[in-house]
Formats: sequence, C-alpha cells, structure tokens
Amino acid sequence: KAGVTQTPRYLIKTRGQQVTLSCSPISGHRSVSWYQQTPGQGLQFLFEYFSETQRNKGNFPGRFSGRQFSNSRSEMNVSTLELGDSALYLCASSREPGIENEKLFFGSGTQLSVL
Amino acid sequence: AQSVTQLGSHVSVSEGALVLLRCNYSSSVPPYLFWYVQYPNQGLQLLLKYTSAATLVKGINGFEAEFKKSETSFHLTKPSAHMSDAAEYFCAVTFRGTDKLIFGTGTRLQVFP
Repeated sequence: KAGVTQTPRYLIKTRGQQVTLSCSPISGHRSVSWYQQTPGQGLQFLFEYFSETQRNKGNFPGRFSGRQFSNSRSEMNVSTLELGDSALYLCASSREPGIENEKLFFGSGTQLSVL
Repeated sequence: AQSVTQLGSHVSVSEGALVLLRCNYSSSVPPYLFWYVQYPNQGLQLLLKYTSAATLVKGINGFEAEFKKSETSFHLTKPSAHMSDAAEYFCAVTFRGTDKLIFGTGTRLQVFP
C-alpha cells in the first residue's frame, strides 16, 4: 500500500511568485491535513479537509489556500510568496477525522525555498 | 486553547542510558496526546498516543509515555537508548473529532556511543 505522496519534493521560487503543492493520501483515506515546518516556528497546522470540505484552518494569512478533490487528493496554494514562506510543507492523511481513533500518516513533505 | 511545552530542545544520552523527553500540556477539554518522531528528510512517524484509556502507553521501538493529569505531563521514556533513536521528537495535543494537531517545538535527541 503506497504511503502519502507529496509532489514535488523540492521547489525553488522567487518572492512574489505563487506555488501549488500536491498531496495524494493513502488509498481509502478521506481526511487530509497540511502542516508547515520551519526552524523558527516549528510545526504549525494549516488546513484540514474531509470530503472536499475545509473543516479547520490554522492561523495563516489568506495567501495560503487549499482544496480537496473528489478523489481525496489535496492541493495547497501560496500566492505572493515571501521569504518567510520557506519551509517544509507536510501533508498527512487518515481514513476519517478524529485521530483519537484513527492513525495519521505523514508524507515526506515538499521543501519550498523562496529566494 | 490547547498547547504543549517540550522542555529541552536538545537532549544527549549515551547508548544504553535512559531516555527521558519531557512534555507538558495545557487543554481546556480532555486531551488526546501524541509523540511523533522525525528522522532527517522524512515526515513524522507516530510513536504512541494517549486517548483516555490506559495512562501508561506503550509505543513502537521500546518507547512508552505516562499520562499524569495532576502534573499535566506526558513524558516519553525508553529504558535503554540505541544509536538509531537519534532523531527529533515532537509532542502534540488534539481534541476529539479532528486531525488538527498542536505540536510542541520538538526535542532533538543525540545518542553517543
């Protein structure tokens, strides 16, 4: 069974550009969540999606957006990139929301560098 | 509001020594607590979780953690460190019905031969 797949693995962009990151959850998983990991701020929650609906959103500016498709694949978009957006973006999936009963599986992440 | 605090951003132990990584939580609702491990250039892997059943939770790779409500703690321990345990460890908290995790700042564990 394939794990959570994130593409691309590495990405280099310049300030002001926009970027789209992709996440394919484990087959049968319908809940997808996104996290940003930086050395200064650590791991911070971005979004949570289930059945194409955003259930939770973290404290990030509107430049950060996401969506989930009917096949449970998810994308996140960052517009007008800033240097501080350089980070490892991690995607995680579970069968249903509620990780007290489910197990959350993480992808290896997309390393975004903004120059 | 929920939060976790990990005391000590770096912990160094000798191979074979006890590993103790500290985590204290704050939560206004019954918490669910997790420990994750991250190896270089990889995502996060679940070590163990507390979900209001047994207070002593056993996880993978010989790790265990004890939920102590009176101390609002969920410290991670392993009796004997192995070189392969060198990694970054994250404590996290959440509440019922969500996949939203609130993470601590992480503790980097170094194991010396």
